[in-house]
Amino acid sequence: SYVLTQPPSWSVAPGQTARIPCGGNNIGSKSVQWYQQKSGQAPVLVVYEDSDRPSGIPERFSGSNSGNTAILTVSRVEAGDEADYYCQVWDSSSDHAVFGGGTKLNVL
Amino acid sequence: EVQLVESGGGLVQPGGSLRLSCAASGFTFSSYGINWVRQAPGKGLEWISYISHTSSTTYYADSVKDRFTISRDNAKNSLWLQMDSLRDEDTAVYYCARDSLAAPTAFDSWGQGILVTVSS
Repeated sequence: SYVLTQPPSWSVAPGQTARIPCGGNNIGSKSVQWYQQKSGQAPVLVVYEDSDRPSGIPERFSGSNSGNTAILTVSRVEAGDEADYYCQVWDSSSDHAVFGGGTKLNVL
Repeated sequence: EVQLVESGGGLVQPGGSLRLSCAASGFTFSSYGINWVRQAPGKGLEWISYISHTSSTTYYADSVKDRFTISRDNAKNSLWLQMDSLRDEDTAVYYCARDSLAAPTAFDSWGQGILVTVSS
């Protein structure tokens, strides 16, 4: 089955840029989504199809995807961005959605 | 406003059954595929099932296949997850999540989640 790999945690200072990676075999050929989950809340879609943003999501959130790594970029990080971030793809070979293990973004 | 509201969770013994419901409002339910995603305490997200807008297609994660059954009634704007032969490892918060029409492999709206605890 397809596996997505994320670092467990990522730290960034306020105002700086966080680039959170998501690794997968030839993930560049797949459509990648990113979800933000704050403590005690349901996940929220922040990036879909590698780099598109749903309405209401700040432009500070962006994504890219190439080769074996997709990246969620959070620019000008704020304290309110502290959350778990999950990447996700649809694996058409198994007809399963797959989530990465999640990355906890710590704002120092 | 799009709303998905789960219900039916609670405490159940190993080997028991439970039926979760997801009530939808604020959108044309019959146009959207819907998924169930769960999250064990302190763990990450796990997709477990999908049903197409017409119910013609269903998919299941290997961890729940042959034990869980997803279904829907578009006339009632409702989705269900019948969970049988429950195990300790099924303990989790269960979310229903809507497919995005713009990107069908993305989940653009989620319920608040409902806790299922499997324990003797």
